[in-house]
Amino acid sequence: AQSVTQLDSQVPVFEEAPVELRCNYSSSVSVYLFWYVQYPNQGLQLLLKYLSGSTLVESINGFEAEFNKSQTSFHLRKPSVHISDTAEYFCAVRTNAGKSTFGDGTTLTVKP
Amino acid sequence: DGGITQSPKYLFRKEGQNVTLSCEQNLNHDAMYWYRQDPGQGLRLIYYSQIVNDFQKGDIAEGYSVSREKKESFPLTVTSAQKNPTAFYLCASSTEPNYGYTFGSGTRLTVV
Repeated sequence: AQSVTQLDSQVPVFEEAPVELRCNYSSSVSVYLFWYVQYPNQGLQLLLKYLSGSTLVESINGFEAEFNKSQTSFHLRKPSVHISDTAEYFCAVRTNAGKSTFGDGTTLTVKP
Repeated sequence: DGGITQSPKYLFRKEGQNVTLSCEQNLNHDAMYWYRQDPGQGLRLIYYSQIVNDFQKGDIAEGYSVSREKKESFPLTVTSAQKNPTAFYLCASSTEPNYGYTFGSGTRLTVV
């Protein structure tokens, strides 16, 4: 079985500050790693994913995540956040068996 | 454009009634999923289907039922046996394990 732990339920930051949302996982088999973003009253949208190769992956809106196999982590970072980044962020793992396991989410609140 | 359509966006149900939430996709995805989202509890898997005419229970299937008669459609029925059905319901679909999920925009169900 797989499990995902998002270490912070809420992260408040000021606009233009850097942010890190932490995600640890456990699995006895190889997994694919994902970050999703959810804006209020909407579904989740895929933000970025790690499949293999370079351990640093980037999204089109400035977020990046680094896969660390030894620490079984996949933390999400952004060097400078905007008000519009306020949302809930979910880390997820998926195995070749197909189902995903989601973390409980981290609410990012960007303050002016 | 391809995507997942959930309807209705808001649904009100009287106690003791069954209601059916619609989920339709035109992405040609084989797998479809239903999740329930409550504040602070992340996403909990209700049912999933990896192929037409086959589906499996997730972690919280009691009080819910599904069907998968067509590849495009995966409706969820919330029965009167579900003790606390007020929640946000999300439908998702996917293809290969190294792809993420595509989510619908959700249905908010309220028992009145």
